[in-house]
Amino acid sequence: ELKVEQNPLFLSMQEGKNYTIYCNYSTTSDRLYWYRQDPGKSLESLFVLLSNGAVKQEGRLMASLDTKARLSTLHITAAVHDLSATYFCAVDPTSGSRLTFGEGTQLTVNP
Amino acid sequence: DGGITQSPKYLFRKEGQNVTLSCEQNLNHDAMYWYRQDPGQGLRLIYYSQIVNDFQKGDIAEGYSVSREKKESFPLTVTSAQKNPTAFYLCASTLKGNTEAFFGQGTRLTVV
Repeated sequence: ELKVEQNPLFLSMQEGKNYTIYCNYSTTSDRLYWYRQDPGKSLESLFVLLSNGAVKQEGRLMASLDTKARLSTLHITAAVHDLSATYFCAVDPTSGSRLTFGEGTQLTVNP
Repeated sequence: DGGITQSPKYLFRKEGQNVTLSCEQNLNHDAMYWYRQDPGQGLRLIYYSQIVNDFQKGDIAEGYSVSREKKESFPLTVTSAQKNPTAFYLCASTLKGNTEAFFGQGTRLTVV
């Protein structure tokens, strides 16, 4: 059974600081996805990582994938309040099959 | 505009009632999924369907039923057998062979 673990689960940080969210998974996969969820809302796709060493950046967020370590990171640079949300990683163990989600990291950026 | 539409946005269920949540997509996606989300938690897969007239149980299928008579539609019925149905329900869809999932806006179900 595929397990996907995120840490930390809760993150409170100050504006302007940097931090990294980690996503570990238990079986071989070369497809990993990051989503954002605002309170009471649906999930919004942030990044699609489809190969070992993939790196994607959008604004203050950068995601990477190391399939050998079974690890993805979501790095936040110079955080701003608008980044406050819950971030989920999701893993596809084999091409075209179902996704398994991590528990989510609830990020709060304080002024 | 292409997308996934869930309805209703809010739904209230009395004890012992069955209720049906609607999910429609016009993205021409092959696969559709139903997830349940409890407060402060991640998503758990209830059912999924990769082609019309076929569907598979996810991790928490007990007390739920689905149908997939049309490619565009994947309704979820929460039966009276589901003892704790209060949750946020999310429908998603993907292209065949591509598991980037696109989500509907969700239905918040409350038992009263």
